[in-house]
Amino acid sequence: KQEVTQIPAALSVPEGENLVLNCSFTDSAIYNLQWFRQDPGKGLTSLLLIQSSQREQTSGRLNASLDKSSGRSTLYIAASQPGDSATYLCAVRGYNFNKFYFGSGTKLNVKP
Amino acid sequence: DGGITQSPKYLFRKEGQNVTLSCEQNLNHDAMYWYRQDPGQGLRLIYYSQIVNDFQKGDIAEGYSVSREKKESFPLTVTSAQKNPTAFYLCASSMSGDEQYFGPGTRLTVT
Repeated sequence: KQEVTQIPAALSVPEGENLVLNCSFTDSAIYNLQWFRQDPGKGLTSLLLIQSSQREQTSGRLNASLDKSSGRSTLYIAASQPGDSATYLCAVRGYNFNKFYFGSGTKLNVKP
Repeated sequence: DGGITQSPKYLFRKEGQNVTLSCEQNLNHDAMYWYRQDPGQGLRLIYYSQIVNDFQKGDIAEGYSVSREKKESFPLTVTSAQKNPTAFYLCASSMSGDEQYFGPGTRLTVT
């Protein structure tokens, strides 16, 4: 069964810092990988989707990379802002149609 | 204004009662999902449905039931057989397993 791990579980940085969040998965046979943001008590907001044939995706200050062979993805946040404070989750979709596997998230706190 | 709606936002029930959580989407997505989230944990899949009148158990289906009579709707019933039902429940949808979109969630508290 696919296992998804996110390290660290929590991260606190000063405003303006560039940072990297990590996501690792045990089965490299994935169809795609999706990064989400979750604010307290809210649903998940999709940030980036990387298909298995892609190496990276960018949206504004966010850049996500995918290395299937090593079972890793990173989410790079440039010039962090206090509004970036949230929990970031990654999810992988396997070829078992329509099943997604989630990591437990990294809780990010950006200090003003 | 397309999206996924879940109702109610908060739900309180007594132990032993069944309760149904609503999930509606107007994105014309084929697939719909129910997840459970507990504090400090990732999401765990309860049930998913790829097409109308068809659904499959996820990893933690015991004590839950669903129906998919319409493409837009995928209600989840938490039965009295679910031993620890207090949690945050999230509904999602996608087009053929592509990017997932989530609703705002329902927080269920059972006392």
